[in-house]
Amino acid sequence: DAGITQSPRHKVTETGTPVTLRCHQTENHRYMYWYRQDPGHGLRLIHYSYGVKDTDKGEVSDGYSVSRSKTEDFLLTLESATSSQTSVYFCAISESRRETQYFGPGTRLLVL
Amino acid sequence: ELKVEQNPLFLSMQEGKNYTIYCNYSTTSDRLYWYRQDPGKSLESLFVLLSNGAVKQEGRLMASLDTKARLSTLHITAAVHDLSATYFCAVGVRAGGTSYGKLTFGQGTILTVHP
Repeated sequence: DAGITQSPRHKVTETGTPVTLRCHQTENHRYMYWYRQDPGHGLRLIHYSYGVKDTDKGEVSDGYSVSRSKTEDFLLTLESATSSQTSVYFCAISESRRETQYFGPGTRLLVL
Repeated sequence: ELKVEQNPLFLSMQEGKNYTIYCNYSTTSDRLYWYRQDPGKSLESLFVLLSNGAVKQEGRLMASLDTKARLSTLHITAAVHDLSATYFCAVGVRAGGTSYGKLTFGQGTILTVHP
């Protein structure tokens, strides 16, 4: 398995609170991604990073921000969580933009 | 905007039978991936297809790509219970002659194999 960890693995929070999810990799891959998975939608890209401090928006970026200050860490922040952000969040990594993306174990987030 | 559609979305099979999952996409792309996901688990990479006519096989699964038709298929041969899972195709976004890291996923096909 690719060396990807996500923390926390489960989180319950209340509407309006800030939440930060962490993705950590030990593969030294340049590209990192955040997806959300919801029933009937497959996976949708939130943001991705193509290097330290280099990030770009994905399909569903509204309400989310990201940061990458080190190669190994990619943080996803919900500034003010809403119930519509209840989801399973997956981090992925790839060596280049054409290489296979490998996925982390996921974080289940429930916003009450 | 790239759209990816899989069909069927639900597939119930008997062990020993063959079947095919289809993945259609709407705009030009230069790579297509197939993933498997078991309930409550992460996604596992199965195949990456990078050129027209590409065919990859692993065990009872075979994937192919027709870029002209914008279609990929995942063929299951002599299904066994262990193949029960959700299967996703994902298509790489390409624009202006550049391949981007962004992937667009299909909705997923939930496969159940019965004895």
